[in-house]
Amino acid sequence: ETGVTQSPTHLIKTRGQQVTLRCSSQSGHNTVSWYQQALGQGPQFIFQYYREEENGRGNFPPRFSGLQFPNYSSELNVNALELDDSALYLCASSPAASGEYNEQFFGPGTRLTVL
Amino acid sequence: KNQVEQSPQSLIILEGKNCTLQCNYTVSPFSNLRWYKQDTGRGPVSLTIMTFSENTKSNGRYTATLDADTKQSSLHITASQLSDSASYICVVSRSGGYQKVTFGIGTKLQVIP
Repeated sequence: ETGVTQSPTHLIKTRGQQVTLRCSSQSGHNTVSWYQQALGQGPQFIFQYYREEENGRGNFPPRFSGLQFPNYSSELNVNALELDDSALYLCASSPAASGEYNEQFFGPGTRLTVL
Repeated sequence: KNQVEQSPQSLIILEGKNCTLQCNYTVSPFSNLRWYKQDTGRGPVSLTIMTFSENTKSNGRYTATLDADTKQSSLHITASQLSDSASYICVVSRSGGYQKVTFGIGTKLQVIP
């Protein structure tokens, strides 16, 4: 177990709806990253938060947004869901900002299905 | 373009046998390379991490190698067990700023009795 939890485990939504996914990081980990993993693909970096501020973003549109809270929890929000948003969403926490050597601890993921 | 390519895409081996998975990357400037094990529908779990100066690292039956000159890495699994069945993902990080990581698509390993 990595000490990182995510909720819900599974979620089914329809096109155009909005969704919020939640992550609880390890205590003391100030950095959280979110990834999208399509079936049979490697995870794709969405964005990273450090001390409640976004400090890096991948190639995802603005309808993907996030929040990080002081209690080491965070959220990924996706508006105007599209069919291609169906994927496993992973969060990963680490103890430092740049964290070039620091390991990322992944949660179990949330499986989102958009119909 | 920063890329990580893994081979083979899938592999089936008999329990008890050894296997080697490959990872080639073009990520630059290089910071570190990690191998993760990902069970189906679960989050990845770190196996090894290596920086530029490290060319081998072991974690139990898993041994990773790194050749930073040729930008190649391998993950060797010794005496495979049924529980080794999973996807193995190579992840390469760039230097500078926030974590700039590139994931490979993984090698799906199936160990059969």
